[in-house]
This record gives sequence, structure tokens and C-alpha cells, in this order.
Amino acid sequence: GAVVSQHPSRVICKSGTSVKIECRSLDFQATTMFWYRQFPKQSLMLMATSNEGSKATYEQGVEKDKFLINHASLTLSTLTVTSAHPEDSSFYICSARGQGALQPQHFGDGTRLSIL
Amino acid sequence: GQNIDQPTEMTATEGAIVQINCTYQTSGFNGLFWYQQHAGEAPTFLSYNVLDGLEEKGRFSSFLSRSKGYSYLLLKELQMKDSASYLCAVRDYQAGANNLFFGTGTRLTVIP
Repeated sequence: GAVVSQHPSRVICKSGTSVKIECRSLDFQATTMFWYRQFPKQSLMLMATSNEGSKATYEQGVEKDKFLINHASLTLSTLTVTSAHPEDSSFYICSARGQGALQPQHFGDGTRLSIL
Repeated sequence: GQNIDQPTEMTATEGAIVQINCTYQTSGFNGLFWYQQHAGEAPTFLSYNVLDGLEEKGRFSSFLSRSKGYSYLLLKELQMKDSASYLCAVRDYQAGANNLFFGTGTRLTVIP
């Protein structure tokens, strides 16, 4: 089956640090990638959608200058949390979908980000 | 926009059957998904409905009624390992790239 690898799985860093999270599709070409954020006991909230080679589309309320998304290839997307603060601590999950809007979404294992 | 509603918590006994309901309102319905999520882990796909009716997959079944904006996930022969959150997600073709939008999840606790 389709595999999505997300790295790192856990990050603990000081306030003000920028953190990069990678999401790779290992055995399929991910035309579209999605980034979600999940706070404890809450559901997944879509942050942004990116298509390979295009600028990401951000959901309302998500700061695009704070959460930088790059989708430079069909197998890799990155999310950079710039100048992270404690309120950015959350579980970040990426999802990838192959070509075609009706293709299933496959999820990475998530990254738990803790900002001290 | 999307409005997806499911119960926050449920408890059921090992070996029993449990039904988790989900109601939704969306402008561009294009499929409903159920995911299982254990604490601290990413969601794993369980089932998918795009047409009305029941989809059966082993111990798990999912039902959809598009006219009622309603779905349920049925879990049979409950096992302790089924304790997890169950997320209802709706795909919306009018929202960007057929994005998935998730409900708040139902936390199921299976007791002996």
C-alpha cells in the first residue's frame, strides 16, 4: 500500500527556533499534500493544501508567513514553523494524495512539536 | 462550509457491538471516510462511502444516507484494542482540492 513518511516524529526546542518537518511519499507520486494540526482531544484541522510546484493554499486563520510550506517535488513537501512559540506546540500530520481528486489520502505518522 | 457532528465519547463492552453516528452538512459532498486514531498516532483509514448503503469490511461496517446527511460506523465483536478515537471525515469538492474535513472524533473506550 501507499506509504507516507514524516520526519521527525518528535521535536522539543526552545521558543524562537524554526522547525522543519518533512513529508515524503515513498512509493507513489503525491500531486497534492495536506498539512493538518491537532491539539489534544481535538480533531484534525486542515492548515494548508499544496500542489507540486505551486504555492500552498492556506485555510482561514493560518498564518502563511509563520507556517512555510514547500512542495518542490512529487515526493516531498516540507512545513517550516518559523520562530516557534509555546502556543505552536501541537501534533502536526501530513497527508498525501496521488494524481486525481478522488484518490485516497494517506497519512504520515505525525510530528509532535513541543516548544519550551 | 462544513459542519460535521459526532458524539464526543462512548463506552462499550468487549465482545459487544457499537454504532458511532456522524451527521454532516456540506455544500459539495464527494464521499465520507472513517478513520481510527490511537492516542499520539496518525489516523488510519477504515472505510469509505460515496453512495448510499452499507459497506462491510470484516468487523467494521459503514453506512451512508446522503439525503439525510448521516453516516454510522458499526464495530462488531469489540476487542480491547478497538479503544481509540474514530474520526468521521467528509470530502468536499467545492473546497479547494477535494479536501477532507474531519469531525471532532468519538473517543471509544472498550471495557472488559
